[in-house]
Amino acid sequence: GAGVSQSPSNKVTEKGKDVELRCDPISGHTALYWYRQSLGQGLEFLIYFQGNSAPDKSGLPSDRFSAERTGGSVSTLTIQRTQQEDSAVYLCASSLAGTSGANNEQFFGPGTRLTVL
Amino acid sequence: AQSVAQPEDQVNVAEGNPLTVKCTYSVSGNPYLFWYVQYPNRGLQFLLKYITGDNLVKGSYGFEAEFNKSQTSFHLKKPSALVSDSALYFCAVRDTGSARQLTFGSGTQLTVLP
Repeated sequence: GAGVSQSPSNKVTEKGKDVELRCDPISGHTALYWYRQSLGQGLEFLIYFQGNSAPDKSGLPSDRFSAERTGGSVSTLTIQRTQQEDSAVYLCASSLAGTSGANNEQFFGPGTRLTVL
Repeated sequence: AQSVAQPEDQVNVAEGNPLTVKCTYSVSGNPYLFWYVQYPNRGLQFLLKYITGDNLVKGSYGFEAEFNKSQTSFHLKKPSALVSDSALYFCAVRDTGSARQLTFGSGTQLTVLP
């Protein structure tokens, strides 16, 4: 079966431009997460969606970052007025449930490598 | 708050020798613990998890990890390392009483030397 897919795989943009990153989770997974992995760093949580509940935006680093999840499936992470420090790999993950059940390991997509010049 | 520490940025081991990648955690409630592996230019792959039950958890590719509550550790182990195990390994924790998202360690680069 298909895993989590992300597009584009690579994105090069100029400082100040807006970018949109897309994530297609595994079918049937109700929870969706966005993380950021900067060079030489661990994963930094950005935002979490669970079903129709209000998203947990506590990890978003600034108001230039936003995300949507339409129809409980596809998600788009938008970064406005990009800065050089936004350069990183943006990873999306999905899981069967967002509650503290046992079947909640996260399955990750391949990531989008964003480079801001 | 929840946190994870991977004290070693780099671990080198000879092929055929046992390997250990260390992880310690801090949570206010009970932990769910995970290990993920990342190969170059790839996303993270799930290796194993501890939810409850036996402290020794077995996962993919011959890896195992031991949950030690008193030492708040969840070290990843493999009895005999392969060159193909060379990758970046991440430990992660979720506090069952609160957060939904995982908190990841900074990662340990494992290099298995032929």
